[in-house]
Amino acid sequence: DVKVTQSSRYLVKRTGEKVFLECVQDMDHENMFWYRQDPGLGLRLIYFSYDVKMKEKGDIPEGYSVSREKKERFSLILESASTNQTSMYLCASSLLPSPLHFGNGTRLTVT
Amino acid sequence: GENVEQHPSTLSVQEGDSAVIKCTYSDSASNYFPWYKQELGKRPQLIIDIRSNVGEKKDQRIAVTLNKTAKHFSLHITETQPEDSAVYFCAAKDSSASKIIFGSGTRLSIRP
Repeated sequence: DVKVTQSSRYLVKRTGEKVFLECVQDMDHENMFWYRQDPGLGLRLIYFSYDVKMKEKGDIPEGYSVSREKKERFSLILESASTNQTSMYLCASSLLPSPLHFGNGTRLTVT
Repeated sequence: GENVEQHPSTLSVQEGDSAVIKCTYSDSASNYFPWYKQELGKRPQLIIDIRSNVGEKKDQRIAVTLNKTAKHFSLHITETQPEDSAVYFCAAKDSSASKIIFGSGTRLSIRP
C-alpha cells in the first residue's frame, strides 16, 4: 500500500518565519504535488514536480517555493509566513494518470 | 490550463435515495477524471475514476458518467447510507501537464 508521510500534523508559526513542510512517499512515484485546502475552495494546487529537481507552478504559487532533491521527498517552503497562509496543506504522489495518494495533511496556523 | 467546476456545493438526501454530483471541465483533451471522498478529519481517498475512452463506469453503488462532447462528468450514488456522508471532490488531469485539478467540493449529508 502506498504511503505518503507528511512530517507534521499540526504546526503553529509566527508571521515572517520561514516554514518547511516535508513530504515523503515510498512508492517510487515520479509525480508529487502540494495542495492547499480551504473551506469552499476545494483543493488548490500550489506546486507540482514530475521528476527530481523539476518543478512547476500550480494555480496559487505566490508566497511558496518547493524543493525536490530526491525522488521520494518533496518539500514546500513558505519563505515568509503570513496569516493568509493559515490552511490545511496536503501532499500527494502519483504515477499519472493513476490515482493520487494523499498524506494526512498538515494544519498550519500562522499567528 | 484545466479548470473544473463542481455543483452543488452542499447536498442533503434521504437515506436510501440517490445522490448526483456534477462537474464540468474546460480542457477538451483531458483524459482522466477521478473522484475523491474526504471524511471529516481524514485525507481524500479515491472512490472511482474514469478515462476518456469510456462513457460510464460502475462500482457497486457508485457510478460515474462522462460526456466528452459537453465536457461534463457526474458521480451517482444509489441507495445512500449514513457512511456516504462526506465531502466529495471531482478532478481532471490537465492534458498539457502532469497535474490534477480539483473541483471545489460537495458536502453530502445523508438524512436518517
